[in-house]
Amino acid sequence: AQSVTQLDSQVPVFEEAPVELRCNYSSSVSVYLFWYVQYPNQGLQLLLKYLSGSTLVKGINGFEAEFNKSQTSFHLRKPSVHISDTAEYFCAGTQGGSEKLVFGKGTKLTVNP
Amino acid sequence: NAGVTQTPKFQVLKTGQSMTLQCAQDMNHEYMSWYRQDPGMGLRLIHYSVGAGITDQGEVPNGYNVSRSTTEDFPLRLLSAAPSQTSVYFCASSATGGPWYGYTFGSGTRLTVV
Repeated sequence: AQSVTQLDSQVPVFEEAPVELRCNYSSSVSVYLFWYVQYPNQGLQLLLKYLSGSTLVKGINGFEAEFNKSQTSFHLRKPSVHISDTAEYFCAGTQGGSEKLVFGKGTKLTVNP
Repeated sequence: NAGVTQTPKFQVLKTGQSMTLQCAQDMNHEYMSWYRQDPGMGLRLIHYSVGAGITDQGEVPNGYNVSRSTTEDFPLRLLSAAPSQTSVYFCASSATGGPWYGYTFGSGTRLTVV
């Protein structure tokens, strides 16, 4: 079964600094990967997804992620963060064709002025 | 343009009581699912449905029942609430028969069992 591990539970950064949120996955077969964002007291919103094709995936709000099969990673990056990026970020994955999407435990990103 | 609507937003139950969390979507999505979110645990899949009349279990199904009589509605039933079911519950839907193209989430139901 697919599992997803987010390596950092909290990441504090200063405004306008770059950020990387790390995610590793377990499946050795075809895999679909996602990043979701949750702002305080809200539901989750899809940031980006990798299904196949180009390993560099661009999402909303200036975020991007790179699928790395050899390192089984799908890290999320943004070159310059804003205060408004403060939220919890979830990596999620499923084996190709599986109907079950598994989430990581989340990374709380705090952007300080 | 409602998307996924969950009701109620907040609920307090006594141990042993039953209740139904409602979820409705107006996007004609085939796939619907229920997750619970607990601090430090991420989201865990309770039940899911790939279409009307079809449901299946996720990671943590015990204590919960579901049914899917229409495409639009996917209610989650707690038959006998326990304090361990205190959580935030999210309903999510996807246009395809699975979660592969991304979920649309509801705003959640915060449930406290005392």
